[in-house]
Amino acid sequence: EIVLTQSPATLSLSPGERATLSCRASQSVSNYLAWYQQKPGQAPRLLIYDASNRAPGIPARFSGSGSGTDFTLTISSLEPEDFAVYYCQQRNNWRMYTFGQGTKLEIK
Amino acid sequence: QVQLVESGGGVVQPGRSLRLSCAASGFTFSSYAMHWVRQAPGKGLEWVAIISYGGNNKYYADSVKGRFTISRDNSRNTLYLHMSSLRAEDTAAYYCAREGGSGWNVYFDYWGQGTLVTVSS
Repeated sequence: EIVLTQSPATLSLSPGERATLSCRASQSVSNYLAWYQQKPGQAPRLLIYDASNRAPGIPARFSGSGSGTDFTLTISSLEPEDFAVYYCQQRNNWRMYTFGQGTKLEIK
Repeated sequence: QVQLVESGGGVVQPGRSLRLSCAASGFTFSSYAMHWVRQAPGKGLEWVAIISYGGNNKYYADSVKGRFTISRDNSRNTLYLHMSSLRAEDTAAYYCAREGGSGWNVYFDYWGQGTLVTVSS
């Protein structure tokens, strides 16, 4: 079973700063990784799929990179609405799905 | 536009059953695999179950296997989750989600707003 580990658990930054969130897989997942954003009281929203492709309507300040076991979600310049919890996700073995434990991006 | 609307949540006693529904619109429901994902209060996301587009293939997380049943009615554009032998640890917001991608590269491209299930005596 593939385990996804996100770091840091909490990231404290100010608007305008650059955010770098990490997701590490316990074994190679090629580029089969997605990222989601979740705000309090809301459903998750797909940000990135295939490790680096932005979902429709997602601003260009969000970018994803990586392959194999190490992946990064970068927000180039934080807007006030970007402070939320972020999850990575991967399809595990045959028809099982795994999420990372999440990174909370909070205002410093 | 794609819409997924869950219903059926509420407070239920341990050991009892509950059925959740997810009404889909804005896309060809019968062409997509669908999932249930849950989130316990203050916790992260946990995948629960998947059903193939035709309804013939179903898979479950180990935590719910044998107790939960996923189903769909493509004529009604509706996804279901029948939950039985409910436990306190099943307390969560339950989201339905549409599957995007294919093969190993699968993600959840649209989500409902969630319905809250509380298991308590």
